[in-house]
Amino acid sequence: DTEVTQTPKHLVMGMTNKKSLKCEQHMGHRAMYWYKQKAKKPPELMFVYSYEKLSINESVPSRFSPECPNSSLLNLHLHALQPEDSALYLCASSPRGQGASYNSPLHFGNGTRLTVT
Amino acid sequence: DAKTTQPTSMDCAEGRAANLPCNHSTISGNEYVYWYRQIHSQGPQYIIHGLKNNETNEMASLIITEDRKSSTLILPHATLRDTAVYYCIVRVGSSSGSARQLTFGSGTQLTVLP
Repeated sequence: DTEVTQTPKHLVMGMTNKKSLKCEQHMGHRAMYWYKQKAKKPPELMFVYSYEKLSINESVPSRFSPECPNSSLLNLHLHALQPEDSALYLCASSPRGQGASYNSPLHFGNGTRLTVT
Repeated sequence: DAKTTQPTSMDCAEGRAANLPCNHSTISGNEYVYWYRQIHSQGPQYIIHGLKNNETNEMASLIITEDRKSSTLILPHATLRDTAVYYCIVRVGSSSGSARQLTFGSGTQLTVLP
């Protein structure tokens, strides 16, 4: 079990569907991250949120739309995806701000395995 | 962040120590060495990190050479559950606890054999 919860665990969607991935943490962390991991490859950073504001977008296509409605939740909205977007999508969180250790590790969820048909 | 080099795969007998090397010859003075592992179908799990001194926790030990150009993660008594991909990551320590992402390399697939 991890302290970062991702839902759903598995998702199959068609190329014309709209779906959302959800991530939740209750550790008081103020930085949250989305990573994408293709089979047999390392995770690749997509987005970073800091204090609910988007701070890094690694040139991700607009068919992926992140949202951070509050300090505990992170969503990834999906629309018009392609089969090559099939991957494991990982969420992570870490402390941020005064008093937080700037070397604090990231805590990862177990991911959502997405299949685009 | 500095690039790391790790062997693609390693085997270790159950109950023996697993020693996973990592080369980070271009590391800067303010960059930390982190180790994560990823068990199949799970998210990456933090193991340990260090700057200059050797570190030990309940999971592993981290040995960093004096010139900081390489390090070794030691799992003292490997079990079958330690079979995973192990990632060595070098990351700048940031001020004010600002968000600092991790950049993963290819990692080492450690297989613990019965």
